[in-house]
Amino acid sequence: DADVTQTPRNRITKTGKRIMLECSQTKGHDRMYWYRQDPGLGLRLIYYSFDVKDINKGEISDGYSVSRQAQAKFSLSLESAIPNQTALYFCATSDGGTGQLGEQYFGPGTRLTVT
Amino acid sequence: KQEVTQIPAALSVPEGENLVLNCSFTDSAIYNLQWFRQDPGKGLTSLLLIQSSQREQTSGRLNASLDKSSGRSTLYIAASQPGDSATYLCAVRGSNYQLIWGAGTKLIIKP
Repeated sequence: DADVTQTPRNRITKTGKRIMLECSQTKGHDRMYWYRQDPGLGLRLIYYSFDVKDINKGEISDGYSVSRQAQAKFSLSLESAIPNQTALYFCATSDGGTGQLGEQYFGPGTRLTVT
Repeated sequence: KQEVTQIPAALSVPEGENLVLNCSFTDSAIYNLQWFRQDPGKGLTSLLLIQSSQREQTSGRLNASLDKSSGRSTLYIAASQPGDSATYLCAVRGSNYQLIWGAGTKLIIKP
């Protein structure tokens, strides 16, 4: 079984709808991240969480919110979806390392289309 | 502000060739640099992570080098195979714990 899973894998929704993307991990990592990827661009960080009580905005948090329901679960919500939120969304996890910043492990991605 | 650039955006080579992918970054104050592979529908796989104190890392046919002073990293792939076809991404981690990503190089290995 995959260490980092994302649901749904594909989603088409209409402008103005609320949508939630979910991420679960079995790696036992404290840190979780949400990114989006647009064609021709690198991944951009939306939100990250270093533990259940710690939520931080990333580079492009406007229009998004997150919830860290448990160490293993981190969900991303679009309260009112708009077409320019059409993108590939990735969840990732890492541990803190011992003074070093650990590798990130990624889920398979959710392809979201907003019409 | 850190910026990461990968050139070329796409590369097509015959099977068996050795090749080099390039990654450059503007701010040399980094903690580490990672190379990832992205396959369609399968997410990203970490290939190599180089800490700021290291000069290179090797894994099988892959070798990644890091020159912080010049803001460059290279990923060397030896004896390329069709299964190496994928998009290769580099990402650097700075003091704010965030990864800054390049846009990737799409590699096609022709049989």
